[in-house]
Amino acid sequence: GESVGLHLPTLSVQEGDNSIINCAYSNSASDYFIWYKQESGKGPQFIIDIRSNMDKRQGQRVTVLLNKTVKHLSLQIAATQPGDSAVYFCAAGGGADGLTFGKGTHLIIQP
Amino acid sequence: NAGVTQTPKFQVLKTGQSMTLQCAQDMNHNSMYWYRQDPGMGLRLIYYSASEGTTDKGEVPNGYNVSRLNKREFSLRLESAAPSQTSVYFCASSRLAGGIYEQYFGPGTRLTVT
Repeated sequence: GESVGLHLPTLSVQEGDNSIINCAYSNSASDYFIWYKQESGKGPQFIIDIRSNMDKRQGQRVTVLLNKTVKHLSLQIAATQPGDSAVYFCAAGGGADGLTFGKGTHLIIQP
Repeated sequence: NAGVTQTPKFQVLKTGQSMTLQCAQDMNHNSMYWYRQDPGMGLRLIYYSASEGTTDKGEVPNGYNVSRLNKREFSLRLESAAPSQTSVYFCASSRLAGGIYEQYFGPGTRLTVT
């Protein structure tokens, strides 16, 4: 079955720097990928998604890159702020039957 | 617009007790989901309902049942709780946007089974 994993359980960055969070997936048939942000004690919050036929998608201060050749995607956060501190999950999907989540990367912002 | 709401927020059960977790969404979404999240882990799908009147098993359905009561509500039932079901439970609903089922989550129910 599908497995989705993140390379690093914890990432520490300086406030104002750019953050890059990585994710690998196993199922090349996944139709799309979604990044979620989860703050302590809350549910996952939708950040951005990307279809499998795209290489890049940009949102407000965030960019997702997809490399289908090596089954890898990344979330880039520009000018990291204290409010970006959270656990970030990537998830893979193929229809209405639910998402497969990775284990998450805890982003820590240092002043 | 409250989004996805879940009740209760916290619950403690003894082994063998039963309970129902409630979920409702006001976004007119067709699909709804139940996930569990264990410490240090991502979310795992328990059951989902692609549309009103249908339910299907996810990755970890054993020990759970679900009911899609109407388009808004999707409940999760534990008939005989076990300590292994101690977890945080999240409900989600999804909309289809540009070919992607974007899922939106509730705040979660923290369940402890002793």
